[in-house]
Amino acid sequence: GAVVSQHPSWVICKSGTSVKIECRSLDFQATTMFWYRQFPKQSLMLMATSNEGSKATYEQGVEKDKFLINHASLTLSTLTVTSAHPEDSSFYICSARDLSGQGNQPQHFGDGTRLSIL
Amino acid sequence: GQNIDQPTEMTATEGAIVQINCTYQTSGFNGLFWYQQHAGEAPTFLSYNVLDGLEEKGRFSSFLSRSKGYSYLLLKELQMKDSASYLCAVLDSNYQLIWGAGTKLIIKP
Repeated sequence: GAVVSQHPSWVICKSGTSVKIECRSLDFQATTMFWYRQFPKQSLMLMATSNEGSKATYEQGVEKDKFLINHASLTLSTLTVTSAHPEDSSFYICSARDLSGQGNQPQHFGDGTRLSIL
Repeated sequence: GQNIDQPTEMTATEGAIVQINCTYQTSGFNGLFWYQQHAGEAPTFLSYNVLDGLEEKGRFSSFLSRSKGYSYLLLKELQMKDSASYLCAVLDSNYQLIWGAGTKLIIKP
């Protein structure tokens, strides 16, 4: 079945560091990918929608300059958290839209990246 | 606006049956999905309903009534590993997934 690979799965770094998270669709082309953030005991929050070859669409309240999204190919989107601070510590999850109709799933999720900023 | 409601938390006993309800109001409808999410993990797909009625898949079943904007997820023969959050999501007219806040299911021995 369709698989989305997200890397890294765990990051611990110092405040002020920039962190890049990759999201790859392994066996299908994903023109649209989604980036979510989830704080402990809270629901998924959509941060932005990433479209291949164009600018990402950010949800209200999400800083474009802080969360840089690049979707340069049909199988790869990246999220860079620039100058990360402790309040950015969260679980970041990507998903990719699969239009091929595999398993009736509209989105396939990566395994998530747990980001801890010290 | 678009809105999906589901209970915040439910508790059930191992071996029993539990029903998690979801009501929705969205701009268009292209299907309703249920996902399971264990703490610290990404959501995993459970079921998909686009027509009215019941879809059964092993211990899990999902029901949809489009006229009522209502769905439920039924879990039978509960096991401790079923303790998780269950997320209801609707695909709207723009094929965007609209997420509920999730229902935390606690299974007690």
